[in-house]
Amino acid sequence: AIQMTQSPSSLSASVGDRVTITCRASQDIRNVLGWYQQKPGKAPKVLIYAASSLQVGVPSRFSGSGSGTDFTLTISSLQPEDFATYYCLQDYTYPLAFGQGTKVEIK
Amino acid sequence: QLQLQESGPGLVKPSETLSLTCTVSGGSVSSTGYYWAWIRQPPGKGLEWIGNIYSGGSTYFNPSLKSRVTMFVDTSKNQFSLNLGSVTAADTAVYYCARRLAVAPGVPNWFGPWGQGTLVTVSS
Repeated sequence: AIQMTQSPSSLSASVGDRVTITCRASQDIRNVLGWYQQKPGKAPKVLIYAASSLQVGVPSRFSGSGSGTDFTLTISSLQPEDFATYYCLQDYTYPLAFGQGTKVEIK
Repeated sequence: QLQLQESGPGLVKPSETLSLTCTVSGGSVSSTGYYWAWIRQPPGKGLEWIGNIYSGGSTYFNPSLKSRVTMFVDTSKNQFSLNLGSVTAADTAVYYCARRLAVAPGVPNWFGPWGQGTLVTVSS
C-alpha cells in the first residue's frame, strides 16, 4: 500500500503569511493527489484535485503543485478562515490513503 | 444540491456489528458515474478510507478492514449502508459518507459532497 507522509504535522502562522505544506508518497502517484481542508467538527472539503486543479469555489490563494512523489499545498496569504487541518489524499490506486494531516494554528 | 446524511446507533458494544446508513437527497444513489464511500476519523486523529460501493454493487475496501466490512446500496430508499463486524474500541470514530466519481484508479478524482459525520463509540 502507498504511504503518504505530510509535513509539518502542525505550524503556527499569522494572517497574511505564506504557508507551505508538503506531502510525500512512498511511490510514484503521477499527479493523482488531492488536498482537503477540515475545520473542527466539520467534514473535510476538497480544495485541490489532480495535484494542481483548484476545485470550483475555492479561493485562488490556494494552489497545489508537484508530481511523482512530492507535492505541495501553498496558501499565498493566510486568512482567518484558513486556520484548519489540511490533509493530502492519494487517489492513484487502492487502498486510497490520506496523509496524517497538518494543523495550521494562529501565531 | 446533493446532500448526504449519516444515521445509526451512537454506541455499539465490543464484538458486535456497527451498522450505519447514508441517506442521499437532491440526487439518486442509482446515478451512473459515481461511487459512494465511507471514511472514518478516530477522535483527535486523521482520516481513514474504509471503502467504496457502486450502485450496481461492486465494491473496493481498505485491506486493513476488508475482513470485517460489508456495504450495500438500497435504491428504493436512496440509501447506502456500512456494516463493520467484530468491533473494538479502536473502531470508535466519526464516520463520514461521501461521493466520488466512478473512474478508474489513476484518474484524478475527489470526495464530495460529504455528510456531516456521525460519532460511533464502541464501549460496553
